[in-house]
Amino acid sequence: DADVTQTPRNRITKTGKRIMLECSQTKGHDRMYWYRQDPGLGLRLIYYSFDVKDINKGEISDGYSVSRQAQAKFSLSLESAIPNQTALYFCATRDSHYGYTFGSGTRLTVV
Amino acid sequence: QQQVKQSPQSLIVQKGGISIINCAYENTAFDYFPWYQQFPGKGPALLIAIRPDVSEKKEGRFTISFNKSAKQFSLHIMDSQPGDSATYFCAASLKAGANNLFFGTGTRLTVIP
Repeated sequence: DADVTQTPRNRITKTGKRIMLECSQTKGHDRMYWYRQDPGLGLRLIYYSFDVKDINKGEISDGYSVSRQAQAKFSLSLESAIPNQTALYFCATRDSHYGYTFGSGTRLTVV
Repeated sequence: QQQVKQSPQSLIVQKGGISIINCAYENTAFDYFPWYQQFPGKGPALLIAIRPDVSEKKEGRFTISFNKSAKQFSLHIMDSQPGDSATYFCAASLKAGANNLFFGTGTRLTVIP
C-alpha cells in the first residue's frame, strides 16, 4: 500500500457542487498538507495541519476548507466548485527533517 | 508572487548530455533547498536537497550547485538518460515558523535517445 493514499484519482464535477477529496497516510507523521498543481504555476499550498487541532491556511485557501479527522486522515473540500478550481491536487505528509511524501494526486475537473 | 523562480520551463537534451535547471530566490531566510522529480500520474518525489552552508552536493548523476551570494541554485543531471524525462521542481523552505515548502514553476525535461 502507498504511504499516502488519495481518493478519488480522477473526478469530474459540475459547477456549484460540493466535493471532498480524501487523503490518508501510514507514515505516522503529524504534519499534513494539501497542494494544488497547475501548469506553469508549480505547486501552491492550500492548507496545512500540524496535528488534529492545528489547521492553517496556505497561500490559496479561498474556496477551500479542510478537516483533519485523525492523525492519518486529512480531507479537502470545495464547498461550491468553480471551473478555475480544475487542477491536480496533492496531499503530502512531512517528517521532522523536512522529508515530504506526496500522494499520487487527484485530477479534478469542474465543468 | 513567486517566491522561487525556475527556468527554463522546458528542456530537451540528447541522451548522454548534461541537463541544467536553474532557480533563484529572494528570501535570505530560506535554509533548505530540495529538488523534486515528478513522473506523469505520480506525485513529486524528493531527488536531492542542499542547505546553504555548502556550495555543492552530488548524488550519483545529480548535482546541486548553490550560490548563496547570488541567491541561486541549480540542478545538473550528468549523462542524461531517457528515464530522466520528467518534470523537475526546485523548492525552498524557511528554518523558522511553519517550514512550508515554496515551489518553483517546474521544468519539463525530455531526454531524446
